[in-house]
Amino acid sequence: QQQVKQSPQSLIVQKGGIPIINCAYENTAFDYFPWYQQFPGKGPALLIAIRPDVSEKKEGRFTISFNKSAKQFSLHIMDSQPGDSATYFCAASNTGNQFYFGTGTSLTVIP
Amino acid sequence: GAGVSQSPSNKVTEKGKDVELRCDPISGHTALYWYRQRLGQGLEFLIYFQGNSAPDKSGLPSDRFSAERTGESVSTLTIQRTQQEDSAVYLCASSLVAPATGRDSPLHFGNGTRLTVT
Repeated sequence: QQQVKQSPQSLIVQKGGIPIINCAYENTAFDYFPWYQQFPGKGPALLIAIRPDVSEKKEGRFTISFNKSAKQFSLHIMDSQPGDSATYFCAASNTGNQFYFGTGTSLTVIP
Repeated sequence: GAGVSQSPSNKVTEKGKDVELRCDPISGHTALYWYRQRLGQGLEFLIYFQGNSAPDKSGLPSDRFSAERTGESVSTLTIQRTQQEDSAVYLCASSLVAPATGRDSPLHFGNGTRLTVT
């Protein structure tokens, strides 16, 4: 059973566009929701993370929106650039336990 | 400081051979994870070590897979009698559970070992 469901599987946007990637979870015990960015040949790297006590977190051009009641969270990339082309994974964890990852979204930003 | 180090970076082996993959986590990180990533796919959880607790082995796909961790340091993932479907990138990650808050810190990943079984 997929603990974290991620969509879309792939996304193509023009430079300057705002890609949005969505994730949903079921386990209300999850209390930490990170997003990871992965470039080819590299391991995933933490991009931004949020805890359920806030509804939004912004770091630079990256924003997480969190809806606790709907058990959904999403990543928005403002003013997207070709260098943002990568695979993005959402994840969820319950403190002290394992992390559960979404299936990934391949983002392509066209110059 | 040094990140998570994995070795070898690439491994080509013949079907039926055993392989050992190594992970050196970030110093002081109490939690260590192994994931498998098939080409173009997501992250498949394999095993999780946390401090001195019994490891969570629920993701290991078969009894050909095993992993060990020495204290809070190096871990090795062993695949016996490799099969072609074992071909993938094996990623290791570590994290620190902050003792004061009990909260997780993020996972820090290595660059993986690309395993090819011919």
